[in-house]
Amino acid sequence: DSGVTQTPKHLITATGQRVTLRCSPRSGDLSVYWYQQSLDQGLQFLIQYYNGEERAKGNILERFSAQQFPDLHSELNLSSLELGDSALYFCASSPGVGGNEKLFFGSGTQLSVL
Amino acid sequence: GNSVTQMEGPVTLSEEAFLTINCTYTATGYPSLFWYVQYPGEGLQLLLKATKADDKGSNKGFEATYRKETTSFHLEKGSVQVSDSAVYFCALRSSGAGSYQLTFGKGTKLSVIP
Repeated sequence: DSGVTQTPKHLITATGQRVTLRCSPRSGDLSVYWYQQSLDQGLQFLIQYYNGEERAKGNILERFSAQQFPDLHSELNLSSLELGDSALYFCASSPGVGGNEKLFFGSGTQLSVL
Repeated sequence: GNSVTQMEGPVTLSEEAFLTINCTYTATGYPSLFWYVQYPGEGLQLLLKATKADDKGSNKGFEATYRKETTSFHLEKGSVQVSDSAVYFCALRSSGAGSYQLTFGKGTKLSVIP
């Protein structure tokens, strides 16, 4: 158990809808990262938050947004969903802002857009 | 930009066979290199890492050596076990300050049969 909790584990929704994925980092970790894993693209970095502030942005679509709350949990919001958004979304956390810290990954949220 | 290329899977081996999973990378500067492992139904876990040229990362019988001259970080294990069945991801992090953005390869699925 990595200590990173993601909910829900599975989500099935329709095109055009909006969903929210939730992540609770390991106790004491200040950074949260979101990754998207799909068969064709592999693992893609989406966004990082550190202590409530956006730290870095990767290949995140404008239809997607995220935030980190004062209790350090994070939410990834996906709107106007398309079939191609179906993927496994991982959250990871680390103690600090970067460097060669080890990332701890949650088990992921499997999103299916029908 | 940064990229990681690893051998296509799936790879199927008999127990106690020798394992090599090839990984090559493209990056500016002096990246840090990682192997992550994903067991069925779980998130990614750091398996080993190397932060500079000629470093050897090792863990649980797995080894990988950072070869700058060939831009490679091949994963090896002398004798695989059924419990090693998982998906293995090679990854890099660029040098320099900033966030901990990992660039991943697409993963190689390993199945070990008794």
